[in-house]
Amino acid sequence: AQTVTQSQPEMSVQEAETVTLSCTYDTSENNYYLFWYKQPPSRQMILVIRQEAYKQQNATENRFSVNFQKAAKSFSLKISDSQLGDTAMYFCAFILDYKLSFGAGTTVTVRA
Amino acid sequence: DTGVSQDPRHKITKRGQNVTFRCDPISEHNRLYWYRQTLGQGPEFLTYFQNEAQLEKSRLLSDRFSAERPKGSFSTLEIQRTEQGDSAMYLCASSSILTGVFGYTFGSGTRLTVV
Repeated sequence: AQTVTQSQPEMSVQEAETVTLSCTYDTSENNYYLFWYKQPPSRQMILVIRQEAYKQQNATENRFSVNFQKAAKSFSLKISDSQLGDTAMYFCAFILDYKLSFGAGTTVTVRA
Repeated sequence: DTGVSQDPRHKITKRGQNVTFRCDPISEHNRLYWYRQTLGQGPEFLTYFQNEAQLEKSRLLSDRFSAERPKGSFSTLEIQRTEQGDSAMYLCASSSILTGVFGYTFGSGTRLTVV
């Protein structure tokens, strides 16, 4: 079974600053995918960024980037130039075949 | 394409009553998933359909829960004899074989409160 751990229940960041969310996972598989999802108060899960385990290069999507350390089973998310609209719950997720395993989430609050 | 739709958005029910939720996936998606999210936690996998076939059920899905996807289109999730522990957000998602894991799209969920 795959487990995903997010050790930071809450994070607060000033607008325009940078925040990093941590995530570790446990799996015996070699080929898998990792995701960060955003869940705003509107509740819909929105994919922020994804990483294929076979790729060494860290994924980047605009202000969002990841630090993927496969040997350490670590997958952190960096939000640069934080905006008020980034306020949401962020979930790290692992997928194998078709099933997603989520961490408990980190609530990010961006202060004006 | 209006995305994944779930109905109702909120449901309050008395303990012991039966409830049914509906999910309409993206029309070209042949895979459909149900997840449950309790307060302060990440979603947990409940069940998975490919077309009309239910291919996997989590151990979280007790005998009181049943899911269907007739004709491989919309899906329903029914909870019989609801208990307070069933209070949660029920999320539906869909994807297609072609897009695989990258095409996963979630609905906005149905929030169930059992009183």
